[in-house]
Amino acid sequence: AQSVAQPEDQVNVAEGNPLTVKCTYSVSGNPYLFWYVQYPNRGLQFLLKYITGDNLVKGSYGFEAEFNKSQTSFHLKKPSALVSDSALYFCAVRDVDFNKFYFGSGTKLNVKP
Amino acid sequence: GAGVSQSPSNKVTEKGKDVELRCDPISGHTALYWYRQSLGQGLEFLIYFQGNSAPDKSGLPSDRFSAERTGGSVSTLTIQRTQQEDSAVYLCASSLEASNPREQYFGPGTRLTVT
Repeated sequence: AQSVAQPEDQVNVAEGNPLTVKCTYSVSGNPYLFWYVQYPNRGLQFLLKYITGDNLVKGSYGFEAEFNKSQTSFHLKKPSALVSDSALYFCAVRDVDFNKFYFGSGTKLNVKP
Repeated sequence: GAGVSQSPSNKVTEKGKDVELRCDPISGHTALYWYRQSLGQGLEFLIYFQGNSAPDKSGLPSDRFSAERTGGSVSTLTIQRTQQEDSAVYLCASSLEASNPREQYFGPGTRLTVT
């Protein structure tokens, strides 16, 4: 069965420091992986996706994610966090056969000044 | 251009009543998705449409839930005989088509409260 795990409910980081939000997945076949962000009182916004190609994917707002097939991970990263990055982040995997999307439980990122 | 819109934004209903939630996707998007987000939980996939067809309805939580899409555009999610556990934010998303791994564009959601 397809699934996504975000092992951290919350990540705290100081502004200017690098950040990592973890995601691991379980799929049969090649994964299509996504990251979305949900700001307070706003809808989910697409950040980036991995379909094929380079393992390092660059997305919106300076975020990037590294696909690691051997570790079945797709961690979200940013070299220097901003207070405005504070939000809820969701990792998702797409079931290729059935066009379903499976979302993780979300990780709340707190960036403190 | 206009994004995905959902109505109503908030709905409070009594247990046992039926509710209809509406989603207007982005024009030209053939794929439409419904999710449920409960407090403190992730997104639970409910159903998707490619055009007017819903190939897989297994994500719907019970037979009280149904969804339809007409004209390849607007979709309605209907919950019959609502229960308190149905209280959640119901999100709709659309994408250009389901067969390609396109990103989804989400609406603001409908917050449903069953009293």
